[in-house]
Amino acid sequence: DAGITQSPRHKVTETGTPVTLRCHQTENHRYMYWYRQDPGHGLRLIHYSYGVKDTDKGEVSDGYSVSRSKTEDFLLTLESATSSQTSVYFCAISEGWTYEQYFGPGTRLTVT
Amino acid sequence: GQQVMQIPQYQHVQEGEDFTTYCNSSTTLSNIQWYKQRPGGHPVFLIQLVKSGEVKKQKRLTFQFGEAKKNSSLHITATQTTDVGTYFCAGTLFNTNAGKSTFGDGTTLTVKP
Repeated sequence: DAGITQSPRHKVTETGTPVTLRCHQTENHRYMYWYRQDPGHGLRLIHYSYGVKDTDKGEVSDGYSVSRSKTEDFLLTLESATSSQTSVYFCAISEGWTYEQYFGPGTRLTVT
Repeated sequence: GQQVMQIPQYQHVQEGEDFTTYCNSSTTLSNIQWYKQRPGGHPVFLIQLVKSGEVKKQKRLTFQFGEAKKNSSLHITATQTTDVGTYFCAGTLFNTNAGKSTFGDGTTLTVKP
């Protein structure tokens, strides 16, 4: 498996609180992605990054922000968590041109 | 926006039977990838197809990319219990420079021993 870690692996939080999820890679890959996975919806792209400080929105970006200050770290922030953001969040990396993605182990987030 | 449709959503087979999942895009794709996710796990990259009409094999798995580069299929011969999981296709739009793919919703395969 590629060197990708996510933290925390599990989190329970209350509605309205801010939450930050961290993705860390040791592969020096240029591209990093955040997805959410919900039953019946497969993997939906939230935000992605194509370099340090270079990010763009995916298909379900409302309510989420990201930051990438170093190649190895990609942070996903929920400014004010809502119950609809209860999901499993996956980080992924890719070298770019070849496009295959390598996924982290996931973070299970529950918003009560 | 780009849509990638995957069918069927679920497939239940007896061990030893064959299995096929299909992926269809509304637009021409630059390439397509296939991933497998075991229950409770994360998606794992299986293969990438790039050329029109391309066929690749991995043991009992056969992957095809359509001539028009709008559809793809994954066929498993003689399924085993180890094949259980959800299979996703992911298509990349032609001429994108962002490495951004769109995933299908997946086909969940269960295998009865």
